[in-house]
Amino acid sequence: RKEVEQDPGPFNVPEGATVAFNCTYSNSASQSFFWYRQDCRKEPKLLMSVYSSGNEDGRFTAQLNRASQYISLLIRDSKLSDSATYLCVVILYSSASKIIFGSGTRLSIRP
Amino acid sequence: DVKVTQSSRYLVKRTGEKVFLECVQDMDHENMFWYRQDPGLGLRLIYFSYDVKMKEKGDIPEGYSVSREKKERFSLILESASTNQTSMYLCASSLAGLSGNTIYFGEGSWLTVV
Repeated sequence: RKEVEQDPGPFNVPEGATVAFNCTYSNSASQSFFWYRQDCRKEPKLLMSVYSSGNEDGRFTAQLNRASQYISLLIRDSKLSDSATYLCVVILYSSASKIIFGSGTRLSIRP
Repeated sequence: DVKVTQSSRYLVKRTGEKVFLECVQDMDHENMFWYRQDPGLGLRLIYFSYDVKMKEKGDIPEGYSVSREKKERFSLILESASTNQTSMYLCASSLAGLSGNTIYFGEGSWLTVV
């Protein structure tokens, strides 16, 4: 089983729709969580950190569920410019710190 | 703004050639990383370094080596390139420790080995 798993998609939704996707992690030693966005043939860039209490940044909401070991990203009122691949990132603190990237969920917004 | 610069964006090399990928960051970050990204496999860590002259193997170090002689520069070396090393290579950096520190990526180096 992969340490971090994401539905690869693609999610194909109309402009203005709300879309959500999850990322599950297997190691309970996981301590820090992030969502990164990667455009086609570009480098990943930080979208937002994920806090235990949940956090919002404009149209984007991130949630963490430690009991079920997943994080989620919700995008409201989606725009064409939201089309990208969304990577979840988990940082483990066990014997040595480790950064683990999910394989990404591809999102395509259609007009 | 943090800048991570990968000087070679697109390279085509022959099997058996020695390949150097250079990465420079301008924010005095202690941590530097080399990843490769392949379709369906996501980002895989090759090597990382948490200080000058320090290096740690990542998940897929075979066929690669690294050099960190200066804090701002982290080089990835393919001693004898092979076709299965055709990939996009991403350099990244972050502040010391990993807790909550943003990882900044370079724009990537697309390597084709023929």
